[in-house]
Amino acid sequence: DTGVSQNPRHKITKRGQNVTFRCDPISEHNRLYWYRQTLGQGPEFLTYFQNEAQLEKSRLLSDRFSAERPKGSFSTLEIQRTEQGDSAMYLCASSLVLAWNEQFFGPGTRLTVL
Amino acid sequence: AQSVTQLGSHVSVSEGALVLLRCNYSSSVPPYLFWYVQYPNQGLQLLLKYTSAATLVKGINGFEAEFKKSETSFHLTKPSAHMSDAAEYFCATWVINAGNMLTFGGGTRLMVKP
Repeated sequence: DTGVSQNPRHKITKRGQNVTFRCDPISEHNRLYWYRQTLGQGPEFLTYFQNEAQLEKSRLLSDRFSAERPKGSFSTLEIQRTEQGDSAMYLCASSLVLAWNEQFFGPGTRLTVL
Repeated sequence: AQSVTQLGSHVSVSEGALVLLRCNYSSSVPPYLFWYVQYPNQGLQLLLKYTSAATLVKGINGFEAEFKKSETSFHLTKPSAHMSDAAEYFCATWVINAGNMLTFGGGTRLMVKP
């Protein structure tokens, strides 16, 4: 069990560019969550998957954001046409369906949009 | 809709002193409640959780929290602070049938003075 991993850990991009982040959950976990954490705030829910199905999306997830989990294992979060307001820490978490109340978090990807 | 309020964005204690981090929740139905800790450049780690069993919950690293329905509170305590406790602490809630996500408070940064 190597825990939840996220890549890259840091990403600096210019406004208008597209970025993609990857999350590898704990191997047997079938639920995967994305959260966004801005400076000085708690994490905010973005979306979650159960296996490959995206079951819930927050209103925070604008049309420029898309998340996938094609084979029910790793997930990607893409932001198109980045804006300075997208600068934040993007956290991934995973859990078992039967242990839904225990989410394990990755270290996060810190995005800076210049 | 549920919400979580953490009173005090920064708390400073001396090493060996009592730690008290406050959390109040707002929910129309009994929630599940959690405390997470986040060390610099790391993901969130679950400290403890309340899931409608015992109202006094013991967690890792000597922390505990008490669920008080009449006060809608779930304050985190530790009898004696250690330098290694310096971190950001987040209270979170989960309400069944209100979305499969955690709702976090704004966080409290705990500083421990030698």
